[in-house]
Amino acid sequence: EDKVVQSPLSLVVHEGDTVTLNCSYEVTNFRSLLWYKQEKKAPTFLFMLTSSGIEKKSGRLSSILDKKELFSILNITATQTGDSAVYLCAVLDATSGTYKYIFGTGTRLKVLA
Amino acid sequence: DAEITQSPRHKITETGRQVTLACHQTWNHNNMFWYRQDLGHGLRLIHYSYGVQDTNKGEVSDGYSVSRSNTEDLPLTLESAASSQTSVYFCASSYREDTEAFFGQGTRLTVV
Repeated sequence: EDKVVQSPLSLVVHEGDTVTLNCSYEVTNFRSLLWYKQEKKAPTFLFMLTSSGIEKKSGRLSSILDKKELFSILNITATQTGDSAVYLCAVLDATSGTYKYIFGTGTRLKVLA
Repeated sequence: DAEITQSPRHKITETGRQVTLACHQTWNHNNMFWYRQDLGHGLRLIHYSYGVQDTNKGEVSDGYSVSRSNTEDLPLTLESAASSQTSVYFCASSYREDTEAFFGQGTRLTVV
């Protein structure tokens, strides 16, 4: 069965800390891996990764994919209280010609002032 | 600005009633999706559509139906609401099958 597993489930840090969120997957026909940030409403898109070893970066956030070991990490440096959210990892699976996003359960990050 | 909107944002209904949740996007995306989000389960796919008149079942489709009569809308219908369908429902759309999905603000549905 296809699955996406995120760790840790939750994390509490102080402002200025660096955090690393993990996402591992077992998916039949992997096409890409996506990261989303979810505050109290809609998930908002952060990154899409398709190739191993190529870091994607946006401000203090960065992410990298390892297709051999089947995982990705999301790093957040110099965390701020506004980074508090649930971070979702999703894998785009392309089995039998249909494309579907398979989501992990998320990592809840709380950043304390 | 193009966007995806869901309505209502909150709804309380009684067991056994038929309920329809609306989803409207102005990006002209062909692909649209409905998910439910429950604690401990993450986002689970209910139904999806790749274009007008196309609908497909996701992993948790029992008790739900969708129809796609135009590009902009994918309403989700609960045929006979059950307490197990109390959840937060998200609609999403994507430009192509292999691109990122954009989400609506969600509908919190409570079945009593």
